[in-house]
Amino acid sequence: AQTVTQSQPEMSVQEAETVTLSCTYDTSESDYYLFWYKQPPSRQMILVIRQEAYKQQNATENRFSVNFQKAAKSFSLKISDSQLGDAAMYFCAYRNLLGSTSGSRLTFGEGTQLTVNP
Amino acid sequence: IAGITQAPTSQILAAGRRMTLRCTQDMRHNAMYWYRQDLGLGLRLIHYSNTAGTTGKGEVPDGYSVSRANTDDFPLTLASAVPSQTSVYFCASRDTSRGTEAFFGQGTRLTVV
Repeated sequence: AQTVTQSQPEMSVQEAETVTLSCTYDTSESDYYLFWYKQPPSRQMILVIRQEAYKQQNATENRFSVNFQKAAKSFSLKISDSQLGDAAMYFCAYRNLLGSTSGSRLTFGEGTQLTVNP
Repeated sequence: IAGITQAPTSQILAAGRRMTLRCTQDMRHNAMYWYRQDLGLGLRLIHYSNTAGTTGKGEVPDGYSVSRANTDDFPLTLASAVPSQTSVYFCASRDTSRGTEAFFGQGTRLTVV
C-alpha cells in the first residue's frame, strides 16, 4: 500500500519570504500522480499543484513550485513571496494511475499547518 | 446545486444513533469517495465507488456503509455512532475517464457524544 508522510506538523514564514513544505511517499508503482492541496479555515480543499511521475520537469503554478525527486520519493512544495492568504493546512497526496485496482483513490499525508506572519 | 454538495454542514449526534451523511454531485462524475479528516492523520479513505452500482472499502471502513444507487448520490451511513467517529467528513467525486482531479464537498463536521 502507498503511504505519504509529512514530517512538519507546523511551519511559519514571514510575509514575502519563501517557505518549503516537505513530503515523502512510498510506492512500488513506477507511474503515478502527486498533489499538493490547500485547506484554508473554510475547510474547502483546493488543488494547488499536480505532478506526473513520468515527467522529469518540476511543476510550477505561479508562486508555487515543487521539487520532485523520484528516486528519493520526495515531493516538496515551495511557496515564494508568501502572502497572508497562503496561511492554511497543506496536504500532500498520491494517486495511482487511472485503471489501477485501488480505484484511483487519493492517499493523503498528515498535513502541515502553515502560518504567515505579517 | 453546483459541483458537489454535502449535508448537513455540521451535526451533534448521540452515541448509538444512526446517521446518514448525504453527498450529491451534478457533474456526472463516475467515481465518488468518502474521507474522514482527523488532526495529525490527514484524510483517510472510508469507502469509494468507481461507478453507479459498485462500492469498495477504503482504509477505515469499519462502522460505515455506503450505497451508490445512481450516479449523483453517494450517502454514508453510520449504523450506530461511536465517539471515535467524531471527525470532519469529506465527499469527493472525479471523472476518471477524462483524467480530471477530484472535486471535494465542503465537509460535514460530526460530533458524537
